[in-house]
Amino acid sequence: VQLLESGGGLVEPGRSLRLSCAASGFTISSFAMIWVRQAPGKGLECVSGISGSAGRTYYADSVKGRFSISRDNSKNTLYLQMNGLRAEDSAVYHCAKDWYGAFDPWGQGTLVTVSS
Amino acid sequence: SYVLTQPPSVSVAPGQTARVTCVGNNIGSKSVNWYQLRPGQAPVLIVYVDSDRPSGIPERFAGSNSGNTATLTVTRVEAGDEADYYCQVWDSSGDHPVFGGGTKLTVL
Repeated sequence: VQLLESGGGLVEPGRSLRLSCAASGFTISSFAMIWVRQAPGKGLECVSGISGSAGRTYYADSVKGRFSISRDNSKNTLYLQMNGLRAEDSAVYHCAKDWYGAFDPWGQGTLVTVSS
Repeated sequence: SYVLTQPPSVSVAPGQTARVTCVGNNIGSKSVNWYQLRPGQAPVLIVYVDSDRPSGIPERFAGSNSGNTATLTVTRVEAGDEADYYCQVWDSSGDHPVFGGGTKLTVL
């Protein structure tokens, strides 16, 4: 069971990025998945999540209306579309799989830097 | 939203016991999970449902939860245990996880 994020990079304020989380060893549509970020010197923050079969979504207030979570079952990949990026969105973004209410495994993360 | 409070740092000498607390309102009624984060690495689940350990996690890592405080206890601390530790529960709404602010464990 493994998760691999990609899609991070340096982007100007107001622009967009799409993060990907490729899963192997399990079927993402069967499990809840989350995106968690860690800004420099800060703690973990769950910014978005999607439930298993029902596909219900969650967004933190800090990203609501700007970020969108989705998944492509045919590619077994989770996405996070990030629009209207701000400096405060700069962070390492991890995806993680729900495991009986805990999260395991996690991906190594992808770095997003929002700066002009 | 539910709030979890952790001490920013804990320091302990090698071979001693470290305790990392996680305080939340009636946290004893919730299931608490703990994660270890090392710089540049993926977070690792080390304790789930208060006190269970995933396979491969040493018995030196133990969790407990009662009242308003959950505790991660690391016995016989080693240099390799130096990392950030985060507690996690599900928000009372049930629709998202909540993390504590994290505790940096320093091995002196």
